[in-house]
Amino acid sequence: SQQGEEDPQALSIQEGENATMNCSYKTSINNLQWYRQNSGRGLVHLILIRSNEREKHSGRLRVTLDTSKKSSSLLITASRAADTASYFCATDPLSGGYNKLIFGAGTRLAVHP
Amino acid sequence: GAGVSQSPRYKVAKRGQDVALRCDPISGHVSLFWYQQALGQGPEFLTYFQNEAQLDKSGLPSDRFFAERPEGSVSTLKIQRTQQEDSAVYLCASRAAGGNTIYFGEGSWLTVV
Repeated sequence: SQQGEEDPQALSIQEGENATMNCSYKTSINNLQWYRQNSGRGLVHLILIRSNEREKHSGRLRVTLDTSKKSSSLLITASRAADTASYFCATDPLSGGYNKLIFGAGTRLAVHP
Repeated sequence: GAGVSQSPRYKVAKRGQDVALRCDPISGHVSLFWYQQALGQGPEFLTYFQNEAQLDKSGLPSDRFFAERPEGSVSTLKIQRTQQEDSAVYLCASRAAGGNTIYFGEGSWLTVV
């Protein structure tokens, strides 16, 4: 069973636009991480936000975390065709032990030139 | 090595065959995880090793699935008497001691026909 739920399931935008993906989860966490997966490839780690952080930036990526609502968002600014991929949020639950990550079903992002 | 290496990348097995999937984690990484990813879904946790000890195998779907890491480095995921529902990508990941980021391999794509 998956803890995280991403919204929307699929997103289609034009190059240069911003893309926002949301993630909701169920239990208390140590941290939340976002991963990207290109078609047929493995997962690439994008960014980690700890439970005591509210916002984090990395290049064109901005992640927010609201632990009271158990939700997070990933914003990709000025999107490029190369950003086309599936994006997953993954939570490290407080009670999970061993820092094993629990993934959502992902958002499939398509960026059109 | 530079990253997590998995082999084979692609495997087609006839129903009832046994398969073995290999994972070579990043050198020196203590933690090793196996995940299963069905088409269009997020990765689902299978099992976790700390060095050679299998500390969590709660995600293994049945007793046909078996994982080992005898010397605390390379790991093998074995699936006995494969069934069609075993068709998925099997992802291996590793993490350094004290780290939070989990690094994934490219995955082994298993198709059972």
